[in-house]
Amino acid sequence: SYVLTQPPSVSVAPGETARTTCGGNNIGGKSVHWYQQRPGQAPVLVISYNSDRPSGIPERFSGSNAGNTATLTISSVEAGDEADYYCQVWDSSSNHVIFGGGTKLTVL
Amino acid sequence: QVRLVESGGGLVRPGGSLRLSCAASSFTFSEYYMSWIRQAPGKGLEWISYIDTTGSIIFYADSVKGRFTISRDNAKNSLFLQMNSLRADDTAVYYCARTGPYYYGMDIWGQGTTVTVTS
Repeated sequence: SYVLTQPPSVSVAPGETARTTCGGNNIGGKSVHWYQQRPGQAPVLVISYNSDRPSGIPERFSGSNAGNTATLTISSVEAGDEADYYCQVWDSSSNHVIFGGGTKLTVL
Repeated sequence: QVRLVESGGGLVRPGGSLRLSCAASSFTFSEYYMSWIRQAPGKGLEWISYIDTTGSIIFYADSVKGRFTISRDNAKNSLFLQMNSLRADDTAVYYCARTGPYYYGMDIWGQGTTVTVTS
């Protein structure tokens, strides 16, 4: 079935820009959703349909998707952004929801 | 506010059964598709099942197909997951989430309920 590949970890200093990727075969043809999961909490949708921000999500969060890579970008990173981030797509060939393995964002 | 609350988790022996519930409030539950997702200790998110608004379209992950059954009661604003033949690797926090048809994201999540399968 369809596989999404995320780097295990990303580190960034406060105020800098963090970028994390989600790789998949022709993922640019799919709708990618991103979730933030802080320690001990449930996931929260931060980007939907590649680049849309749900209500309440700061403008610092943005997304893009083309070719074989989707990217979540967090600008002006804050300590509170430290969390695990998961990408997700719908695989129409298997009728399965697919999650990436997740990326742990560390704010230095 | 819009809310999902899971219940029914607990400790169960291998081979046993458990039924999880997810109570929805402050939105029209019958208009939304729903999913169950789980997270084993220290691991990532794993989608396990999906149901449409009426229960006529249902999908399962291969890891639970034939053992787990998703269902819903729109009159009671509730989603369920019947889990049979439980194994140690089913140990996880189980979340319900609101979603839409197929390629939709999951915009509302519950706080999760913990299932521990151990002898």
